Amino acid sequence: QVQLVQSGAEVKKPGASVKVSCKASGYTFTSYGISWVRQAPGQGLEWMGWISAYNGNTNYAQKLQGRVTMTTDTSTSTAYMELRSLRSDDTAVYYCARAMGIMENAFDIWGQGTMVTVSS
Amino acid sequence: QSALTQPASVSGSPGQSITISCTGTSSDVGGYNYVSWYQQHPGKAPKLMIYEVSNRPSGVPDRFSGSKSGNTASLTISGLQAEDEADYYCSSYTSSSTLGEVFGGGTKLTVL
Repeated sequence: QVQLVQSGAEVKKPGASVKVSCKASGYTFTSYGISWVRQAPGQGLEWMGWISAYNGNTNYAQKLQGRVTMTTDTSTSTAYMELRSLRSDDTAVYYCARAMGIMENAFDIWGQGTMVTVSS
Repeated sequence: QSALTQPASVSGSPGQSITISCTGTSSDVGGYNYVSWYQQHPGKAPKLMIYEVSNRPSGVPDRFSGSKSGNTASLTISGLQAEDEADYYCSSYTSSSTLGEVFGGGTKLTVL
């Protein structure tokens, strides 16, 4: 079946970096983009950015520009999201999602989420 | 502060209909037919319910419908069921400075 499986929970210190993986299966990886969305504890959803699995083009949320990098490895159908210079307010569940639709802005398949905790 | 405005909570009894609004601007909801709605149960990943204003993905019951008028999009759930109790989020493509996707703050639906 179509699914996205993410890497496990992470605990990081302020200033460190984290890299979350998202392995796709059950569909042609390069036919869809991947977006990353995060959700702080008890809060709403926040779009972080999008990457084309076809050509690697990216579009990042302005507030994360310079701290986030999204990449893909088409040989393993895996997407990655790296966030640097972590702060306490980066503590959140991070989701990858398959991007579909005309603008690839509708997210029809989601990973299970990866909890990232930033604490000294 | 979220870019799209949703009511914090709505409620309804089983069998009734409810509508959740999502208000943006001409740079997002009003300017494009690229509004989506997501359902999220506690501790679970969101689920796509509506995309491109009114399209339902395969498997989503036709009790869920979407519409848009001006800068406001709406999600209507008819024939409310207990399992519909969840958080609902709207999102839209935006051409503002963020140039990407923006979410609403979410609406807690309680089935009485």
